Amino acid sequence: DTAVSQTPKYLVTQMGNDKSIKCEQNLGHDTMYWYKQDSKKFLKIMFSYNNKELIINETVPNRFSPKSPDKAHLNLHINSLELGDSAVYFCASSPPGGGEETQYFGPGTRLLVL
Amino acid sequence: GQSLEQPSEVTAVEGAIVQINCTYQTSGFYGLSWYQQHDGGAPTFLSYNALDGLEETGRFSSFLSRSDSYGYLLLQELQMKDSASYFCARRGDSNYQLIWGAGTKLIIKP
Repeated sequence: DTAVSQTPKYLVTQMGNDKSIKCEQNLGHDTMYWYKQDSKKFLKIMFSYNNKELIINETVPNRFSPKSPDKAHLNLHINSLELGDSAVYFCASSPPGGGEETQYFGPGTRLLVL
Repeated sequence: GQSLEQPSEVTAVEGAIVQINCTYQTSGFYGLSWYQQHDGGAPTFLSYNALDGLEETGRFSSFLSRSDSYGYLLLQELQMKDSASYFCARRGDSNYQLIWGAGTKLIIKP
């Protein structure tokens, strides 16, 4: 009965490769997010989607492309991986009706680019 | 002006009380949330203050004063398992966005 799940949990890959991270929530939430957390623990919003529609697209390189096939899923595809992409990526969701203050996070995907 | 300021690190003793402060700039302010993150884990929602005053949930309380652009998280009867990073966050100027503080690492000594 996991609320927000992400796969894979760990991802080690070579520079220049393309990889995807998947996220699913079973909470019935309308809004989903992708965050990047660097080694200094700063949480940076990358994207937010509401009902499959892109709402927030922060200054993220266009090598990062989110896709929301339905409101329970938000995947992240990364092209041409770079060393600086190494971080922990968190997916999160929040309830409808302006519930963005209360976000539920997935366990994170630890990406290491070599 | 959408930044939130919080101390980078706080140290306290097991069994004691500790307060983690968060100050912010006032444009488009709605309320203040607090999250806990253990090393290697994911952020977990702790509390949300929509209005001024104190909200209590067990050993944890959160306070907000919108006139002072200030809030805090109060942890009582500290336990070693409370060692974690604590983040304050507030809604941004855009919908479906939270602005996050840089986090406060709480170190608890026996």
